[in-house]
Formats: sequence, structure tokens, C-alpha cells
Amino acid sequence: GAVVSQHPSWVICKSGTSVKIECRSLDFQATTMFWYRQFPKQSLMLMATSNEGSKATYEQGVEKDKFLINHASLTLSTLTVTSAHPEDSSFYICSAPTPSKAEAFFGQGTRLTVV
Amino acid sequence: QKEVEQDPGPLSVPEGAIVSLNCTYSNSAFQYFMWYRQYSRKGPELLMYTYSSGNKEDGRFTAQVDKSSKYISLFIRDSQPSDSATYLCAMRVSGNTPLVFGKGTRLSVIA
Repeated sequence: GAVVSQHPSWVICKSGTSVKIECRSLDFQATTMFWYRQFPKQSLMLMATSNEGSKATYEQGVEKDKFLINHASLTLSTLTVTSAHPEDSSFYICSAPTPSKAEAFFGQGTRLTVV
Repeated sequence: QKEVEQDPGPLSVPEGAIVSLNCTYSNSAFQYFMWYRQYSRKGPELLMYTYSSGNKEDGRFTAQVDKSSKYISLFIRDSQPSDSATYLCAMRVSGNTPLVFGKGTRLSVIA
């Protein structure tokens, strides 16, 4: 089946630094990708929609200057957490719908810990 | 009322049991329905997807969609301890719209 690869799977960073998370669709092109955040024992919360060649669309309450999204190609979207704080520690997951637009596959997730 | 309602459980069953997981939704525009399985600290894994009402079977898994009742189900036959995970229902209006998730049901299959 279609594969979405997310990297890194886990990262620890110091407060104030920036962290970049990559999401790649390995065997299909994705004009749209979605970024989610998940807290322990909670469901996935949509943060933003990444659009190839245009600006991302952010959900209400998500700071676009803090969570920078770049969808530079049809197979790669990146999420950069800028000036990270401990409260940004969470599980971040990307998703991409397949060209048929029916299924959506998820990356492996990135566990971010800000110390 | 939330768009998608799902009982969070936890649900505990003996090995070999038939498991029934359900979600209800309020938005009649939803057309695509999916079930994901998520193990701890992993990304969700797509199990089943369906479009429109009806049944779809894949091995031990059967997905049902009843659009008239705004109700979807996932049945797991001959459940195994390896099925222990959180199961998330998800749905979307169209291909480029984001998925709307249920809260997820935590399932434990006891050997």
C-alpha cells in the first residue's frame, strides 16, 4: 500500500531552539498533506493543511509563526517548530491522501520532547 | 454535539471474541469512512476504508456504514492479543478535506 514516511521518529531539543519534521509520500504525489498533534490518550488534533505551492491553512488557535509549514514539492512537507517550549512537547503526525482521494495514510509520528 | 462520537472504552475481551466498535456522526456530508489502528507511540495504521453505505470485509475485519443512521461499525472476528490497540474511526467530506476523528476506543484482548 501507499507509504508515508516521517522523520525523525523522536527528537529531544532545548527550549528556544527550532526543530524540523519531514513528511514524505514515498510512492505517490500528494498536493495536500495534513499535520496533526496528539496528546497522551487523546485523539488526533488537526493543526494545519499543507498545500503544495501555496500557503498552509492553519486551524483556529494554531500559531502559524510558531509552526512553520513548507510544502516544497509533491512528495515533501515539513513542519518546523520554532522557538520550542516544553509545552510544545507532543506527538506530531502527518497524513497524506492518495491520488484516488479516498484513503489517507499516516507517517510514523514524531515524538518531540523540549527540555 | 461533536461531529464524530466514539466510546473511548477501555474495552476488554477474551481472545477469540468478536469485537464490535462503533461511531456515530452528525455531518451528513461525510462520504469517506475509515478505521485506523494505533499502537502506543506509533502513527495510525489504515485498516479499512469505505465509501457510501454497505459492508466491506477484509480478513477478520468487517466495516459497515449506515449513512441513513449516520452510524459506522468495525467488527473484528477471532480477536487476538495482537489486536490490542486504540481504534480510531475517521471520516471526511471529500478527498482534499482533512479527516475528522473519533476519540478512539482502547481495546485489550486478553489471552
